[in-house]
Amino acid sequence: GNSVTQMEGPVTLSEEAFLTINCTYTATGYPSLFWYVQYPGEGLQLLLKATKADDKGSNKGFEATYRKETTSFHLEKGSVQVSDSAVYFCALSDHGTTGNQFYFGTGTSLTVIP
Amino acid sequence: KAGVTQTPRYLIKTRGQQVTLSCSPISGHRSVSWYQQTPGQGLQFLFEYFSETQRNKGNFPGRFSGRQFSNSRSEMNVSTLELGDSALYLCASSITGAGSDTQYFGPGTRLTVL
Repeated sequence: GNSVTQMEGPVTLSEEAFLTINCTYTATGYPSLFWYVQYPGEGLQLLLKATKADDKGSNKGFEATYRKETTSFHLEKGSVQVSDSAVYFCALSDHGTTGNQFYFGTGTSLTVIP
Repeated sequence: KAGVTQTPRYLIKTRGQQVTLSCSPISGHRSVSWYQQTPGQGLQFLFEYFSETQRNKGNFPGRFSGRQFSNSRSEMNVSTLELGDSALYLCASSITGAGSDTQYFGPGTRLTVL
């Protein structure tokens, strides 16, 4: 079946530190991979996506590369800011299924301290 | 373009009651999905609708149901509420619901069952 395993949190970093949040997946078909971010009291916002192997998604300084050989989609940012404090979710959507069913990781809470 | 809207934002109900939540997708989006988010279980897929038809369903009891109207607006209903139904219910829309489509999330409806 389909599943996403995400690095456990919470993660606390100092401002300007390097961020990595690990994400690995299991899929029966050919998934698209996503990172979503959730700020307190809000819904999920798309951060970046990649739809095929070796694609790199990027947005707001965040990057993730779709690695089929290691079934991974790790999120990275070179220098985090206080405003990046949020919960980050890795997700996959399997092209092989009918319709748009997303499978989410458990979320990683990030706190950035000044 | 307006985002996904959900009403109401907050609800308080008592056990045994039923509740209806509403979701208006982004204009032009025909696929609507519903998720339940709880601290213990994370994000769990409820169901997906496309062109007024339920296309995918998660592993929830029959007390959870939904429908979609011809204008793509969707409602979900929970009957005979239980304490464990307390959660944030998120609605997401996408253009066609294809595997590579991005899902755009609403702010959610916070349901509290007393």
